[in-house]
Amino acid sequence: AQSVTQPDIHITVSEGASLELRCNYSYGATPYLFWYVQSPGQGLQLLLKYFSGDTLVQGIKGFEAEFKRSQSSFNLRKPSVHWSDAAEYFCAVGHAGGTSYGKLTFGQGTILTVHP
Amino acid sequence: KAGVTQTPRYLIKTRGQQVTLSCSPISGHRSVSWYQQTPGQGLQFLFEYFSETQRNKGNFPGRFSGRQFSNSRSEMNVSTLELGDSALYLCASSSLGGASTDTQYFGPGTRLTVL
Repeated sequence: AQSVTQPDIHITVSEGASLELRCNYSYGATPYLFWYVQSPGQGLQLLLKYFSGDTLVQGIKGFEAEFKRSQSSFNLRKPSVHWSDAAEYFCAVGHAGGTSYGKLTFGQGTILTVHP
Repeated sequence: KAGVTQTPRYLIKTRGQQVTLSCSPISGHRSVSWYQQTPGQGLQFLFEYFSETQRNKGNFPGRFSGRQFSNSRSEMNVSTLELGDSALYLCASSSLGGASTDTQYFGPGTRLTVL
């Protein structure tokens, strides 16, 4: 069965520091991968997505992610974190084909704390 | 375009009651998916509707049901509420027919508390 693992439950960085959030997936075919961000009490906002093509994808708010098939990873990065980036981040995989309409499988999330 | 809207935003119910949550997708989007988010289980897929038809269902008991109207608005219903149903219920819409690879746009959620 498909699954997504985010190994880090909580990460703390200083403002201005670089950030990398890890995501590993288990999926039998070509994965369709997403990163979402959730602020407290809010819904999910799409940061970026990978369907095919260039393995380095750019998203909103200065985020990027790199798809590495050999490592089954889709890590999210940002060169310089801002205090407003503090939130919870979710990696998700979509299921191509079959009858898996509308279903995303999410990781458990990583809470990002930013120190001034 | 307006985003996905969900009503109500907050709801308090007691055990044994039933509840109905509403979701209005982005204009032009015909697929609506529902998710339950809890601290213990994370984000879990409930079901997906497209053109008034449920096409996919997650692993939830029959107390959880939904429907979609001709204008693509969707409702989900939970009957005989249990304490464990307390959660944030998120609705998402997508435009390309609801394939699982479509980009889903989420609403702000309905926070349900069961006492």
